[in-house]
Amino acid sequence: DAGVTQSPTHLIKTRGQQVTLRCSPISGHKSVSWYQQVLGQGPQFIFQYYEKEERGRGNFPDRFSARQFPNYSSELNVNALLLGDSALYLCASSSFGARKGETQYFGPGTRLLVL
Amino acid sequence: QKEVEQDPGPLSVPEGAIVSLNCTYSNSAFQYFMWYRQYSRKGPELLMYTYSSGNKEDGRFTAQVDKSSKYISLFIRDSQPSDSATYLCAMSASGGSNYKLTFGKGTLLTVNP
Repeated sequence: DAGVTQSPTHLIKTRGQQVTLRCSPISGHKSVSWYQQVLGQGPQFIFQYYEKEERGRGNFPDRFSARQFPNYSSELNVNALLLGDSALYLCASSSFGARKGETQYFGPGTRLLVL
Repeated sequence: QKEVEQDPGPLSVPEGAIVSLNCTYSNSAFQYFMWYRQYSRKGPELLMYTYSSGNKEDGRFTAQVDKSSKYISLFIRDSQPSDSATYLCAMSASGGSNYKLTFGKGTLLTVNP
């Protein structure tokens, strides 16, 4: 089975630009979460989506937005890029049940560099 | 105080050593505990998943959770050079509708041949 896929793998942007990152979850998974990982730090939660609805939001500015499509894929948008937005952006999928034993599986990430 | 504290290392051990990695946390609502392995410039890979307190073993890896002390550990037996990576602990209060993972900073491990 294919795992979580993300595109693009690398991206270079300049300050003030906008970027869109894409994620396809594991087949059968209906929930997608986005995380930002700055070099030397653990991933920080940005958003969670389930059935096209936002179910959780981390402590990130409104420049960050996301959406989920009917096929459960997702996009993360970041507007007005700042140098501090340079990071590895990770997508994770889960089946999002209420049962114990379910967790999140991560994709390879998109590495964003803002110059 | 951060919700999850993890010593970033780096930790360097000889091949075959037993490795102990640890995290402490402050949020008593955490019930689900995970260890992820992350190779350089890759996404995190799930290693171990534990619900509530207790031990879980999978091959050379053992995860321990002590909720009374708010302390979790990962032990790696017979460590191999291929185990060289960053190890991230992660926790969640719920596996259901509020499924946010809170991570430690990660510990960089090098296993020397």
